[in-house]
Amino acid sequence: GNSVTQMEGPVTLSEEAFLTINCTYTATGYPSLFWYVQYPGEGLQLLLKATKADDKGSNKGFEATYRKETTSFHLEKGSVQVSDSAVYFCALSGGSGGYNKLIFGAGTRLAVHP
Amino acid sequence: DSGVTQTPKHLITATGQRVTLRCSPRSGDLSVYWYQQSLDQGLQFLIQYYNGEERAKGNILERFSAQQFPDLHSELNLSSLELGDSALYFCASSVGTGGTYEQYFGPGTRLTVT
Repeated sequence: GNSVTQMEGPVTLSEEAFLTINCTYTATGYPSLFWYVQYPGEGLQLLLKATKADDKGSNKGFEATYRKETTSFHLEKGSVQVSDSAVYFCALSGGSGGYNKLIFGAGTRLAVHP
Repeated sequence: DSGVTQTPKHLITATGQRVTLRCSPRSGDLSVYWYQQSLDQGLQFLIQYYNGEERAKGNILERFSAQQFPDLHSELNLSSLELGDSALYFCASSVGTGGTYEQYFGPGTRLTVT
């Protein structure tokens, strides 16, 4: 079945460092891909999405490109801030099964220090 | 604020009891999803309703049930509670049904079973 694999955390960075969180997926058909962020004590917020190959999703300085050839959707940010400290979830939905549910990776905790 | 509301925010109850979690979707959204977040299982899809009808089912136990009412709010009923049911329960909503639609999450209900 469909699945998402994320790099294990925690990821610890200094402010203004470059961020990459790796995400790869297994799916049949053409799923949509998402990044969600969860701040402490809060629900999940949609960060960005891409619905077809080579699409780039971007928001708040974060970017991710849907790479079908490598089945990847890595999250990047050029310069992280302390306020970016959170747990980041990669997710997919759709595909040939036509399922509507989101399938999540395990999440990657990011800690940014001043 | 995603526009999705969930009540209550916290619930503490004993094993064997029954509880009801409530969710109101964003204005205009017809789909409601329920997810469970636990330390050992991560984020798992439970069930989806679209305009009052069950549309997809995930890893939902037989002790759990849900429904979506004519005003589109949804309730998740958990019965014969066990210690292992302690988790965060999220509701999400989207405009339509299908993998490309973004899902917006509520703040969650934290259930503690003692």
